[in-house]
Amino acid sequence: AQKITQTQPGMFVQEKEAVTLDCTYDTSDPSYGLFWYKQPSSGEMIFLIYQGSYDQQNATEGRYSLNFQKARKSANLVISASQLGDSAMYFCAMRESGRYKLSFGAGTTVTVRA
Amino acid sequence: GAGVSQSPSNKVTEKGKDVELRCDPISGHTALYWYRQSLGQGLEFLIYFQGNSAPDKSGLPSDRFSAERTGGSVSTLTIQRTQQEDSAVYLCATSATLGNQPQHFGDGTRLSIL
Repeated sequence: AQKITQTQPGMFVQEKEAVTLDCTYDTSDPSYGLFWYKQPSSGEMIFLIYQGSYDQQNATEGRYSLNFQKARKSANLVISASQLGDSAMYFCAMRESGRYKLSFGAGTTVTVRA
Repeated sequence: GAGVSQSPSNKVTEKGKDVELRCDPISGHTALYWYRQSLGQGLEFLIYFQGNSAPDKSGLPSDRFSAERTGGSVSTLTIQRTQQEDSAVYLCATSATLGNQPQHFGDGTRLSIL
């Protein structure tokens, strides 16, 4: 069964606007971590933001914020004030307690238009 | 500061040949992971090393795949008798400790099997 589901294969956003990337996850583990990574066309995977399952507040890192809805098992990434350099593939990933690997979603391609 | 370094960046080889992919971790990172990224399968976990503990090889797709980590530092992923389905980008990631520290990725090795 898929542990991480990203339902949006591709999205277009106008420069300076905000965009929300959806991520839902499936785990019965009460302790887990959720990560978002950015992969530009050059290929490197860049860590963006982390949310722990016990964190009381939504994570924020600069223009990135995470809309964490634990009961719905969703961890949507919000990118505010989009820039052309935000054009990339974005991956949601989960690490469950006692496991080391990250389970990744299929990714969402974001294209920022000028 | 130096990030995760992978070599070669690109490798083209003939079916049936053996290949070795190298990963130099971030200094001080004790955990090291190999992932494979391919069009059909997305990002898949291959193997995990933590310190001197036995590696978690649960993601290796066949016995043609093996990996070692010498002295808790450099890691080599070896694929024997390569097949066309082995064509993918092989990503190495490292993290400082267990728990929910983010994994930092190298730029990957793009492997093409002719």
